[in-house]
Amino acid sequence: SQQGEEDPQALSIQEGENATMNCSYKTSINNLQWYRQNSGRGLVHLILIRSNEREKHSGRLRVTLDTSKKSSSLLITASRAADTASYFCATAPTGSARQLTFGSGTQLTVLP
Amino acid sequence: SQTIHQWPATLVQPVGSPLSLECTVEGTSNPNLYWYRQAAGRGLQLLFYSVGIGQISSEVPQNLSASRPQDRQFILSSKKLLLSDSGFYLCAWRGSWVGDGYTFGSGTRLTVV
Repeated sequence: SQQGEEDPQALSIQEGENATMNCSYKTSINNLQWYRQNSGRGLVHLILIRSNEREKHSGRLRVTLDTSKKSSSLLITASRAADTASYFCATAPTGSARQLTFGSGTQLTVLP
Repeated sequence: SQTIHQWPATLVQPVGSPLSLECTVEGTSNPNLYWYRQAAGRGLQLLFYSVGIGQISSEVPQNLSASRPQDRQFILSSKKLLLSDSGFYLCAWRGSWVGDGYTFGSGTRLTVV
């Protein structure tokens, strides 16, 4: 079953704008991760945020986590056409953190 | 450095035929290994995971099976494919620490005809 649910399902923006994607989940987590997938390719790990963290940065990426609301957001600043991809959140539950559960993804299109 | 190899990249198989997809990891030992399936435009569904040689956990009852004959080798199999087995199959590995991210292979596009 899907643990994380991304919102929106699809997002189209102009190059240079910021893109924000949200993820909600249902159970307690050890950590939450964001992945990127180019069409027809494998997933690439972007960033991991632990349950005791509230915000994390990596280059143009900013991730927030609100465990009280069971939600996370991924912000990509100053987007580029090369950022066009699907973005997935994945949760590692507490007590059974050997496998991730992925959401259904947000398809981001950055128009040049 | 660690790398993961998954093959073949694409596969077209008739209904009722067997399946064998292979995944190998290099540059690490005792990895956690995973098989996921992705339907078109959808998220990933965990099929199997393994924490060691011969140790396989199944998440979804189905027409598929997995084996781990060696530490860094993970095989996805089926004796008789169904149309519903079509999809994009992804292998992934993770180190022993729960805080590690997953590293995915490039995937196998399976079409059952």
